[in-house]
Amino acid sequence: ETGVTQSPTHLIKTRGQQVTLRCSSQSGHNTVSWYQQALGQGPQFIFQYYREEENGRGNFPPRFSGLQFPNYSSELNVNALELDDSALYLCASSPGLGGDEQFFGPGTRLTVL
Amino acid sequence: QQQVKQSPQSLIVQKGGISIINCAYENTAFDYFPWYQQFPGKGPALLIAIRPDVSEKKEGRFTISFNKSAKQFSLHIMDSQPGDSATYFCAASKRGGYQKVTFGTGTKLQVIP
Repeated sequence: ETGVTQSPTHLIKTRGQQVTLRCSSQSGHNTVSWYQQALGQGPQFIFQYYREEENGRGNFPPRFSGLQFPNYSSELNVNALELDDSALYLCASSPGLGGDEQFFGPGTRLTVL
Repeated sequence: QQQVKQSPQSLIVQKGGISIINCAYENTAFDYFPWYQQFPGKGPALLIAIRPDVSEKKEGRFTISFNKSAKQFSLHIMDSQPGDSATYFCAASKRGGYQKVTFGTGTKLQVIP
């Protein structure tokens, strides 16, 4: 069984640019959630996708957007990057809405200069 | 709004000792309380979790104590080992709708030989 994978591992962008992060969910999981983890902080919920539709959103501006594909993999897109967007971006998958446990990937470290 | 408060921020324990991390929550709708362990450069991994219908859950050296009336829960790591050195996050979520997990701010545990 393959766990949650994310790409790229690290990314450096400049302010104002756009970025796309990718996530492959664990086999059999149809729900993907994205979190932002600033240095020294706990992860903050960005949004969740269930069966290709956004199913909930945290306190993040619209320049944070996402997609989920028919194979349940997902993308996180961030437009107009700001310095404060520098963080570890985590993807977590779960086997549907009825369960509790979320399985996290290793994250993508984004640095905005 | 910080809905899950965690303490201490850092903890140093001698090998063989007991590590105790405390959390408090505000939202009484939460009904699932997981603890995550995170090593540097890795995503959080589920360690142990509890529901509010029980007051204690033990898995190996790890025990969660839960006090519903006080809205508090804690993680006890017995016989702490250097390999336990990591950052620990308490978290909370509620069933129904989307599965947003609200994390505490984390406790960096160092177990010294």
